[in-house]
Amino acid sequence: DTAVSQTPKYLVTQMGNDKSIKCEQNLGHDTMYWYKQDSKKFLKIMFSYNNKELIINETVPNRFSPKSPDKAHLNLHINSLELGDSAVYFCASSLLIADQETQYFGPGTRLLVL
Amino acid sequence: AQKVTQAQTEISVVEKEDVTLDCVYETRDTTYYLFWYKQPPSGELVFLIRRNSFDEQNEISGRYSWNFQKSTSSFNFTITASQVVDSAVYFCALSDGQGGKLIFGQGTELSVKP
Repeated sequence: DTAVSQTPKYLVTQMGNDKSIKCEQNLGHDTMYWYKQDSKKFLKIMFSYNNKELIINETVPNRFSPKSPDKAHLNLHINSLELGDSAVYFCASSLLIADQETQYFGPGTRLLVL
Repeated sequence: AQKVTQAQTEISVVEKEDVTLDCVYETRDTTYYLFWYKQPPSGELVFLIRRNSFDEQNEISGRYSWNFQKSTSSFNFTITASQVVDSAVYFCALSDGQGGKLIFGQGTELSVKP
């Protein structure tokens, strides 16, 4: 029944660790996204994949590496975590057809780096 | 460059009052899409509405209504007879509709008191 799901929901880790967040959508969409919401609730795009190909890569440190094994999955791996990486990370998906490009969001992953 | 401004950071109303959330956008695209999302205290992002740039008709959905005016680059959201369950952060967003990123406003935190 879940449309866009993310795991884990909460992630608490130490500085310097490497962690991954997984995202899956069962909406049949062909485009997936990662957004970051900071402590002031500001939402900003990080990456976007269409049919497993990277189409948007905003100015994000290369410690962040997205991977899309198939159209339904988009994972985010973060190396050498820093305090400033603490945020809520949202996955989203949409269909790249004119007038149907509403992005639907997952529940978010709350990352706390200590 | 594209930009979305939600000048109201916080609004507080008493239940049953009407409230309007303002959204002003900037874009050079002739085709674009405008969105509103709701983020309740539980943290998920809930899609409310999408409007394309060629459709300036106002929309009403229950207690919610949206006023899109290209002349003033605004896409305002009104909640009629507000309820406590309407308490949330509301985000206005803009996209170019080509698999592109959502550009979010800063969000307006609405608090509806009983």
